[in-house]
Amino acid sequence: DTAVSQTPKYLVTQMGNDKSIKCEQNLGHDTMYWYKQDSKKFLKIMFSYNNKELIINETVPNRFSPKSPDKAHLNLHINSLELGDSAVYFCGAAKSPGLAGTGNTGELFFGEGSRLTVL
Amino acid sequence: AQSVTQLDSHVSVSEGTPVLLRCNYSSSYSPSLFWYVQHPNKGLQLLLKYTSAATLVKGINGFEAEFKKSETSFHLTKPSAHMSDAAEYFCVVSRLYNFNKFYFGSGTKLNVKP
Repeated sequence: DTAVSQTPKYLVTQMGNDKSIKCEQNLGHDTMYWYKQDSKKFLKIMFSYNNKELIINETVPNRFSPKSPDKAHLNLHINSLELGDSAVYFCGAAKSPGLAGTGNTGELFFGEGSRLTVL
Repeated sequence: AQSVTQLDSHVSVSEGTPVLLRCNYSSSYSPSLFWYVQHPNKGLQLLLKYTSAATLVKGINGFEAEFKKSETSFHLTKPSAHMSDAAEYFCVVSRLYNFNKFYFGSGTKLNVKP
């Protein structure tokens, strides 16, 4: 089973459309993330949720709205898509703070990425 | 505050020669440090991690890294490069035992020549 899975893997759409990317993790971790990787491979954090609560919200246009229905899912909805939104979006999952000494090595597990192309 | 600097955006080596990818970090707290690898059009895979145990960390595929607090460095090495090592490598820092935020370096593209 894939630990962190994202759908769709590829998404091609027109400017102005609304689209969603879904993410699910079966690791039992309680913190999930969305990262954006631009054409220069730079990875920038967008959002993080811990137990369905938003804990990190970087400077991201409010056209981007994350939703976490439960701690195993973190979806990303994007309204009014723009050319600059074209990127690869990675979902991640990690254990939350306070679990040191219980085998928590703290790494971030990633999905395979969702490549969004806006035309 | 925490940050990561990967000193080389591109590194090119010949197959069979050593690999050195440099990473310096800045952290106000005890850091956890990671190296991830991304092959073309793939996701990110953890190579190795440092979380305050042994300073010399061994990872997958023959890679290792040494945590040097005095130099605030966590360089990635491999004795002998293989063609399959060609990829993008990311150094990552997070606060020890506070994993809410992972800070990524800008990446180093490793090219391996036959």
